[in-house]
Amino acid sequence: EAGVTQSPTHLIKTRGQQATLRCSPISGHTSVYWYQQALGLGLQFLLWYDEGEERNRGNFPPRFSGRQFPNYSSELNVNALELEDSALYLCASSPQGVISGELFFGEGSRLTVL
Amino acid sequence: AQSVTQPDIHITVSEGASLELRCNYSYGATPYLFWYVQSPGQGLQLLLKYFSGDTLVQGIKGFEAEFKRSQSSFNLRKPSVHWSDAAEYFCAVGAGGATNKLIFGTGTLLAVQP
Repeated sequence: EAGVTQSPTHLIKTRGQQATLRCSPISGHTSVYWYQQALGLGLQFLLWYDEGEERNRGNFPPRFSGRQFPNYSSELNVNALELEDSALYLCASSPQGVISGELFFGEGSRLTVL
Repeated sequence: AQSVTQPDIHITVSEGASLELRCNYSYGATPYLFWYVQSPGQGLQLLLKYFSGDTLVQGIKGFEAEFKRSQSSFNLRKPSVHWSDAAEYFCAVGAGGATNKLIFGTGTLLAVQP
């Protein structure tokens, strides 16, 4: 069974540009979570999607947005990139959210903003 | 608000020695608690989880954790560390209900000396 897949693995952008990151959940999982892992800050919750709807978002500015497609894959968009957006962005999926058990993580997309 | 504290940023142990990684949480209700491990360049892998019942939880790779409600702790232990255990370890608490997300600590980086 394929795990959570993320693309691209690495992405380099300059300040002010836009970045798009993609995530395919495990087959059968309807919930997708996005986390930002910046150096020294641990994992910060960004967004939770379930059944195509945004269910919750973390304490991030509106230039962080995303969506979930009918096949449950997801996209994270970061507009007007700033240097501090440089981080590893992790996507995770689960059948029904954390109440059902663990989150299954992808290997992440590393975004570097110059 | 829910939170997780991992007081040790970096720990070094000798191979074969015992290990204990500390985790304290703040959560109003009965928490769902998790320990994840992240090897360099990898996503997060679940080591073990506590939902209810027996407060001593066994996980993969010989790890165990004990839930102590009175101390709001969920410390991770291993009796004999192997060099392959060198990684970063994250404790997390599951916030259910409408928020339905995992809140992570800042992680503990484990180094193993030969």
